[in-house]
Amino acid sequence: DVKVTQSSRYLVKRTGEKVFLECVQDMDHENMFWYRQDPGLGLRLIYFSYDVKMKEKGDIPEGYSVSREKKERFSLILESASTNQTSMYLCASSLWLAGGVYNEQFFGPGTRLTVL
Amino acid sequence: AQKVTQAQTEISVVEKEDVTLDCVYETRDTTYYLFWYKQPPSGELVFLIRRNSFDEQNEISGRYSWNFQKSTSSFNFTITASQVVDSAVYFCALNTGNQFYFGTGTSLTVIP
Repeated sequence: DVKVTQSSRYLVKRTGEKVFLECVQDMDHENMFWYRQDPGLGLRLIYFSYDVKMKEKGDIPEGYSVSREKKERFSLILESASTNQTSMYLCASSLWLAGGVYNEQFFGPGTRLTVL
Repeated sequence: AQKVTQAQTEISVVEKEDVTLDCVYETRDTTYYLFWYKQPPSGELVFLIRRNSFDEQNEISGRYSWNFQKSTSSFNFTITASQVVDSAVYFCALNTGNQFYFGTGTSLTVIP
C-alpha cells in the first residue's frame, strides 16, 4: 500500500514563527504536492514537485516555500507564519504514467495548523 | 481558465436512496483528466476514479457509477442504494498539464 505520512496531525504556532511541515511517501513517486484545504474553497494547490530539487508554483504560493532534497520527502515552509495561514494542509504524491499522465494522487492524513 | 464547480454544498439522503453528485468543469484543453475523491470524517482523501477526456464511456463500480458528458462539461457521480458509510465529502478534480484543480466539495450525509 502507498503510504503518505505527514509529520504532525495538529500544530499550533505563533505569528511570525517559521513553520516546517514534512511529508514522506514510501512508493518512489516522482511527483509530490502540497495543498491547503479551507471550508468553502476546496483544495488549493500551493506547490508541487516533479523531481528532486525541482518545484513549481501552484495557485497560491505566496507566503510559502518548499524543499525537496530527497525523492521521498517534500517539505512545506512558512517563513513567517500569519493568522491567515491557519488551515488544513494536505500532502499528496503520484506516479507519472506513460505519455506524461499523472496517475491518481495518494494523500496524507493532513496537518491542521493553527497560527495564533 | 480552468475551473471545477460542485454546486451542491451539502446533501442529505435517507439510507438506501440513490444520490447524484454534480460536477461541472471548464477547460480549453483538449486533453485532460477528471477525478473523484472521497474524504471520510477521518480526513484522508481516497481516490475513486479517473477518466480521460477521450473516453466518454460511463463507468459502474458496485454501487458507484459515473456519467461523463463532454457536451455539457459534466462528470457526475451517482451512489445507488446509499449507506451510512458513504457519508463523506466528495471532491471532483480536473487535471490539465501538470496542474490539478479541485472543486469545493459536496458533503453527503446518509441518514440511517
